[in-house]
Parts: sequence; C-alpha cells; structure tokens
Amino acid sequence: DQQVKQNSPSLSVQEGRISILNCDYTNSMFDYFLWYKKYPAEGPTFLISISSIKDKNEDGRFTVFLNKSAKHLSLHIVPSQPGDSAVYFCAASANRDDKIIFGKGTRLHILP
Amino acid sequence: NAGVTQTPKFQVLKTGQSMTLQCAQDMNHNSMYWYRQDPGMGLRLIYYSASEGTTDKGEVPNGYNVSRLNKREFSLRLESAAPSQTSVYFCASSPTRATGELFFGEGSRLTVL
Repeated sequence: DQQVKQNSPSLSVQEGRISILNCDYTNSMFDYFLWYKKYPAEGPTFLISISSIKDKNEDGRFTVFLNKSAKHLSLHIVPSQPGDSAVYFCAASANRDDKIIFGKGTRLHILP
Repeated sequence: NAGVTQTPKFQVLKTGQSMTLQCAQDMNHNSMYWYRQDPGMGLRLIYYSASEGTTDKGEVPNGYNVSRLNKREFSLRLESAAPSQTSVYFCASSPTRATGELFFGEGSRLTVL
C-alpha cells in the first residue's frame, strides 16, 4: 500500500507562472514532510521541508503547504523558471521511525 | 567535499551473479539508506541504517543484504541477481534521525541480463 502518493505523473507550466505540485499521504504517524528535486543522471537534492506543527513553510520561490486534516501537502513554485524543470519527489517520515518514504514523483516541465 | 560516493556507477550482471554496491559518506552522518528508482515507481527504500551497527528493512528488502561496515560505509549486496533488480540504486545519508533531509549519491545503474 502506497503511503505517499503523487497522483500527477507530469505537469507543464508556462515560465513565470505558478507551479503547484500535490502530494497525499495515508499514514497519520507521519510528522515531517519534504520535497526533493531530481535532474536526470543525478541524485535527488533536498528542496524544502515542513513539520506537522506548521501549515506553511516558505523559502524564496518555494512554499510548502500542509493540510493535516486532509493528509495533503503541496509545493508552490512562483515564479517558475526553466531550471525548475525536473522530477519532484514528496517524502515523509515519522519521528519514531527512521524510514523515509517517497512518492512516485511528478515531472515538471517549464514551457518557454 | 565529496559528500556521498557510490561505486560502481554502472554494472551489467548476468542472472545469478552476485555483486556489492559500495557507498561511503564523509559528512559524519549517523543514518544511511539504500533506495532503488524504477520508471513509474519513484524511490523505494530497500534498507536503512539508523546508526553504526544497526540495519533495518525498508519497503523492498527481498533479494538484498546490507552491511554497515562503520559510520562512513554502507554496502548493498545482491547474492543472486535477477532481472527484476535492474534499476538505478541510490545511497543516501542523513545527519539527524528521521528529519528526512537526505544527501544522495549520484546513483549506480545496474542491469541484470
């Protein structure tokens, strides 16, 4: 059973507009959520995270929103830039456990 | 600063052969992880090690063994490779327990014929 779900395999957004990537989770024990970015032939790199005690975390152009009641989080990128074209993975962990579980990823295409 | 180093970067095996993927980190991190990435499947956790001397199964441990040789090194062994193990393998390390900020290696592409 998939605990972290990214239901959109791909997303295309015009350069300069907002990109919104979504993630749902099923495990209510998850209390820390992260987004990773991956370019082809490279390892994923950490982008931004949020603890379950918050509902929003912002870092420059990147903002993550957490809705615990809906078990849903989203990553907003604004404005979108060509270098944002990559695969984005949502991940989650529970404090009692060292496992870090990833979703399947969403491929973001920024269109010129 | 090398970060997380994986070897080899590419490997082709025949079914039934064995091999070990090596991973080393120079950041003094406590936790280390092995993931595999397959098309449409995302990153799936194979094994992890929360600290030197401990290892635990992840989501897809069958067909693999691991060794946390010391704080720096965490190896992944395929005893009898199968075509289903064709994948890209990523090693990662984390400085703190369960906060999720992982530092990944560049990956090892394994093909099993």
